[in-house]
Amino acid sequence: EPEVTQTPSHQVTQMGQEVILRCVPISNHLYFYWYRQILGQKVEFLVSFYNNEISEKSEIFDDQFSVERPDGSNFTLKIRSTKLEDSAMYFCASSAWSEVTGELFFGEGSRLTVL
Amino acid sequence: GEDVEQSLFLSVREGDSSVINCTYTDSSSTYLYWYKQEPGAGLQLLTYIFSNMDMKQDQRLTVLLNKKDKHLSLRIADTQTGDSAIYFCAESRTASKLTFGTGTRLQVTL
Repeated sequence: EPEVTQTPSHQVTQMGQEVILRCVPISNHLYFYWYRQILGQKVEFLVSFYNNEISEKSEIFDDQFSVERPDGSNFTLKIRSTKLEDSAMYFCASSAWSEVTGELFFGEGSRLTVL
Repeated sequence: GEDVEQSLFLSVREGDSSVINCTYTDSSSTYLYWYKQEPGAGLQLLTYIFSNMDMKQDQRLTVLLNKKDKHLSLRIADTQTGDSAIYFCAESRTASKLTFGTGTRLQVTL
């Protein structure tokens, strides 16, 4: 069964360092997303991406964050200068035709710990 | 803004039915979802329902939607120990930006 895969599963970094989280969406999907879940809190929307550009972003997704689809398969989230409060589980998701099928598939997450 | 609320914890005996409830505030919700999260794992899509439906059944899972009251429920028949997990309700207008609830931890006891 096709799945969304994410790397690394866990990353520990020092405050102020840059972090890149990687995702390989399901191959025929066209819409890509990042969500995050701070420990004990709700899963929150960060950004959606379609046709090589951001289609929507939340107020969490400030200038420290960026997304990229560098090739035909990877979708990355970059945090330019990490803060303690960026510690969270980051989930990548993808969907085929979002407004038709409604199905959004998530990866297993990348846990980011900022020290 | 949109909000989704769930009770935090539910305990059921193996073999019984589980009913997990959710309320939401956005009257323009088009899609309503149930996701399952096992310890250390990601979010597994269990099922979803369009807002123009009242019910959806998929094997042991039954989703009921009361659009007037903005209430969504997930019934798991014949609950098994493998069903122990956190269950997230979520809603969306566009199937891209989902608003999640806090999650309900389901504990299945023998």
